[in-house]
Amino acid sequence: EADIYQTPRYLVIGTGKKITLECSQTMGHDKMYWYQQDPGMELHLIHYSYGVNSTEKGDLSSESTVSRIRTEHFPLTLESARPSHTSQYLCASSETGQGGDTQYFGPGTRLTVL
Amino acid sequence: GQNIDQPTEMTATEGAIVQINCTYQTSGFNGLFWYQQHAGEAPTFLSYNVLDGLEEKGRFSSFLSRSKGYSYLLLKELQMKDSASYLCAVRDRRDDKIIFGKGTRLHILP
Repeated sequence: EADIYQTPRYLVIGTGKKITLECSQTMGHDKMYWYQQDPGMELHLIHYSYGVNSTEKGDLSSESTVSRIRTEHFPLTLESARPSHTSQYLCASSETGQGGDTQYFGPGTRLTVL
Repeated sequence: GQNIDQPTEMTATEGAIVQINCTYQTSGFNGLFWYQQHAGEAPTFLSYNVLDGLEEKGRFSSFLSRSKGYSYLLLKELQMKDSASYLCAVRDRRDDKIIFGKGTRLHILP
């Protein structure tokens, strides 16, 4: 099972602030993902990366951006937070060919924008 | 595109057996996953099926029929801690992305 970490776990911030949500994994997985999930609702893929210097937008439109400069690190940035960004953000990683690319999730960051 | 259907909610009794069904439609099936998610927490991996048949792992089993676009998760000897949402997810061969269903919220009664 992957060791995957997210910080902060909880964040309350005012409208207009720039924020970066951190995600790191120590298993050397090549693929990483960001999902957004509202309480009681389904997971929506917002960004993914299949390797260093490779990033793609997911199925749900998002105003956030991501980068993948190192294998283990996949931060997500919101340039100007708005109340509509309030949600839980889940990071995941997987290794190509391992168990069908089984994704392992971090603990999540619960973001509240006032 | 893909479409995943699973019941919204189910209720079962502690010690009993429950089966959670999942049907899917995809033009490029390449594996099916089941995850457990407790309220407010991240999903945790339960099982992966890519070939037809039953995969057993302790109290949990998962079944797949590719021709029918159908899977189920079977939970035996239910415990109160099994109260959670169970997510069915399908991987598409064309883009390798995994699409998650809306989840089935399982309530366990004492």
